[in-house]
Amino acid sequence: NAGVTQTPKFQVLKTGQSMTLQCAQDMNHEYMSWYRQDPGMGLRLIHYSVGAGITDQGEVPNGYNVSRSTTEDFPLRLLSAAPSQTSVYFCASRRTLLRDGANVLTFGAGSRLTVL
Amino acid sequence: GENVEQHPSTLSVQEGDSAVIKCTYSDSASNYFPWYKQELGKRPQLIIDIRSNVGEKKDQRIAVTLNKTAKHFSLHITETQPEDSAVYFCAALSYNTDKLIFGTGTRLQVFP
Repeated sequence: NAGVTQTPKFQVLKTGQSMTLQCAQDMNHEYMSWYRQDPGMGLRLIHYSVGAGITDQGEVPNGYNVSRSTTEDFPLRLLSAAPSQTSVYFCASRRTLLRDGANVLTFGAGSRLTVL
Repeated sequence: GENVEQHPSTLSVQEGDSAVIKCTYSDSASNYFPWYKQELGKRPQLIIDIRSNVGEKKDQRIAVTLNKTAKHFSLHITETQPEDSAVYFCAALSYNTDKLIFGTGTRLQVFP
């Protein structure tokens, strides 16, 4: 049971390049989400999904796309990277509200992205 | 929209003293309030949580209190130790939107 796995751990991009941050979980969690963490700004929700085929915007969705074709995977796409997207990105998952113990969010190890 | 405010942003205490971190939330539909601890270079880890039907919860040296009327909740750490030094985040989960919104974090430093 690996929990939440994120790849890559580190990435450097040039402005305008595209890339995908991968996230996979093996806990059969319905809910998956992406946060970005910047100094002094805490963890801000980018996008989230309550199940396969369903995604929704969080607090800071602009510049990011997501999809949820399977329960296990929730990739985050940057179509045209900007320096303002330099950050540490965390993927996190949990069960949905209807299940006991559902609310505990499990985080991946994080992906540090630098956009030059 | 949903908002969670957290204070203070930094907190320094002497080993053995108590530390208190306070948060307020805006969404009245929030019904679950976790606290996460993040050590340097690590992922956030849940340390304690409280649901809206409970006013206080304790786990050894840490406790959380909730005032639903005022939309306030607080983390209390007693007998602090150097290993308590970390960044602490509060969060609020809205039952309506299913979004977990975090506060901006408190950097706690415990000096020996």
